[in-house]
Amino acid sequence: QSALTQPASVSGSPGQSITISCTGTSSDVGTYNLVSWYQQHPGKAPKVMIYDDNKRPSGVSNRFSGSKSGNTASLTISGLQAEDEADYYCCSYAGSTTNWVFGGGTKLTVL
Amino acid sequence: QITLKESGPTLVKPTQTLTLTCTFSGFSLSTSAVGVGWIRQPPGKALEWLALIYWDDDKRYSPSLKSKLTITKDTSKNQVVLTMTKMDPVDTATYYCAHSLSVYGHFDYWGQGTLVTVSS
Repeated sequence: QSALTQPASVSGSPGQSITISCTGTSSDVGTYNLVSWYQQHPGKAPKVMIYDDNKRPSGVSNRFSGSKSGNTASLTISGLQAEDEADYYCCSYAGSTTNWVFGGGTKLTVL
Repeated sequence: QITLKESGPTLVKPTQTLTLTCTFSGFSLSTSAVGVGWIRQPPGKALEWLALIYWDDDKRYSPSLKSKLTITKDTSKNQVVLTMTKMDPVDTATYYCAHSLSVYGHFDYWGQGTLVTVSS
């Protein structure tokens, strides 16, 4: 069982927006502004899409955005495209004992 | 240009010790705040953070696997080595190494991963 809770799957049609939630606790997501989101296509290594809750790395489309409220972080993808179909994982720093925790992953299907 | 690549055995027997090497380029592990971590992913399952070593030799481990893991670095060779003892079939996974630019930071560059199967 993963430390962070994500929905197993979400889906949307091209052009629509979707949001993936990532629920943690006051020991991780709720305390540190250090949530990151990773996109993983089948057979490929993960790629960071959002870091520090809401920062976007250079080269990542501005269709990807991150937010947080309390113990829940969210990844929103607007203007869905076929290439966005992938697995998405959230990750949070959780203090000096636990360090990093990942979510269970969410499979995004573009209909 | 930062690159990382994992290497090691593809098959190990139960109870054996696994040694994986991450060879990297494009950065130095002697630069302040830089770290290299290991993350694994069992087939069809989620990512799991294992360990990380910082430029100053500070080492961090997953609490649930701490007794099995050892992480070391060789700055002159641009390598980070992860050792995992008492391998079990549940340890079958793709093992990734990844670069972190800052303390407590995210993993911004990843290796391609290496699949390790534990079977007799």
